[in-house]
Amino acid sequence: GIQVEQSPPDLILQEGANSTLRCNFSDSVNNLQWFHQNPWGQLINLFYIPSGTKQNGRLSATTVATERYSLLYISSSQTTDSGVYFCAVLNSGGGADGLTFGKGTHLIIQP
Amino acid sequence: KAGVTQTPRYLIKTRGQQVTLSCSPISGHRSVSWYQQTPGQGLQFLFEYFSETQRNKGNFPGRFSGRQFSNSRSEMNVSTLELGDSALYLCASSPISGGYNEQFFGPGTRLTVL
Repeated sequence: GIQVEQSPPDLILQEGANSTLRCNFSDSVNNLQWFHQNPWGQLINLFYIPSGTKQNGRLSATTVATERYSLLYISSSQTTDSGVYFCAVLNSGGGADGLTFGKGTHLIIQP
Repeated sequence: KAGVTQTPRYLIKTRGQQVTLSCSPISGHRSVSWYQQTPGQGLQFLFEYFSETQRNKGNFPGRFSGRQFSNSRSEMNVSTLELGDSALYLCASSPISGGYNEQFFGPGTRLTVL
């Protein structure tokens, strides 16, 4: 099945810093989503971005489908940005396995 | 529009018992997918239901089953619980099945098996 790799696995930053999270995937995709998992476990939708670039406030994302990667940018980090960020994809080769998730990037923003 | 809801939020069971979890999708959404999250295996796809039919299934034993009702609400059942079934179970809803289709997740049910 499709492989999804996220980097870095852990990231510690000071408040106000910018960060870039990367997601590499091994095959063509119909769907790519970025999520932030809150402390209670719920996955919060950040972006639905199978290709192109989107921005939402301090967050933006870019997916280059032909090169099989996506980037999530967080600018002017706040402590509330802390948590785990997941990239998930749906393989366009059939999607029989649902979304495939990466292992996540654990982000800690220190005051 | 109300989001995806899951009940119960927390469950404690003992080995050998069975459990049923419930998921109500966003109004108008007809696809419900279930995922299991554990520290060791991460987030893994269990199965998807669309129009009351199982469309896709992940690599889980037959002890894991589900169903979908005509109002799109879904239940998943785990029989003969094992310690390794302790996990956060998440359901996701989307308007249709597969393809270019954003999924929205509920708050999850945290199951502990003793």
